[in-house]
Amino acid sequence: SQQGEEDPQALSIQEGENATMNCSYKTSINNLQWYRQNSGRGLVHLILIRSNEREKHSGRLRVTLDTSKKSSSLLITASRAADTASYFCATAGKGSYIPTFGRGTSLIVHP
Amino acid sequence: DAGVTQSPTHLIKTRGQQVTLRCSPKSGHDTVSWYQQALGQGPQFIFQYYEEEERQRGNFPDRFSGHQFPNYSSELNVNALLLGDSALYLCASSLLTGEETQYFGPGTRLLVL
Repeated sequence: SQQGEEDPQALSIQEGENATMNCSYKTSINNLQWYRQNSGRGLVHLILIRSNEREKHSGRLRVTLDTSKKSSSLLITASRAADTASYFCATAGKGSYIPTFGRGTSLIVHP
Repeated sequence: DAGVTQSPTHLIKTRGQQVTLRCSPKSGHDTVSWYQQALGQGPQFIFQYYEEEERQRGNFPDRFSGHQFPNYSSELNVNALLLGDSALYLCASSLLTGEETQYFGPGTRLLVL
């Protein structure tokens, strides 16, 4: 079974707009990670946020984590056509380093 | 610094056959994990190898087996292939001691006819 579930399943925006994706999970976690996947190829690690952190930034990416609501969000600001990809959240449970992936959000950024 | 590499990139097999997929980890990494990703789904954890032994295993049948070599490279073997084994197989490497981030290879796309 998949721990994290991303929402929405698909998102279509214009270049320059912001994109927000959400992830919900069910059990306590050690950390939560966001990955990007282009056209069914390998996953690229974007950002890791630990259970005791609330917000992290990396370039145009902003990730928040609310452990009380068991949810996380990924914000991509000023999106570009090159951001078109599938985005996955992956959670590692307490005492585990094995990430469990959701089904992903498919993002399309129109030039 | 070479990243994670996988071979072959694509593979077509027939039901009942056996397949071996290969993975070389990122330089300096000692742990290899394998994932299966069906179309439209997220990656599913198959197993993880460290020091040439299977350290953790996901919910996959015994038809899925693996091996890790002294140079940390790894193989994934699948016996008695089923149509449902068609998927992208991803290898990820990491450092066991406190490394939480896994680095993924480009994957091997397997089609079972």
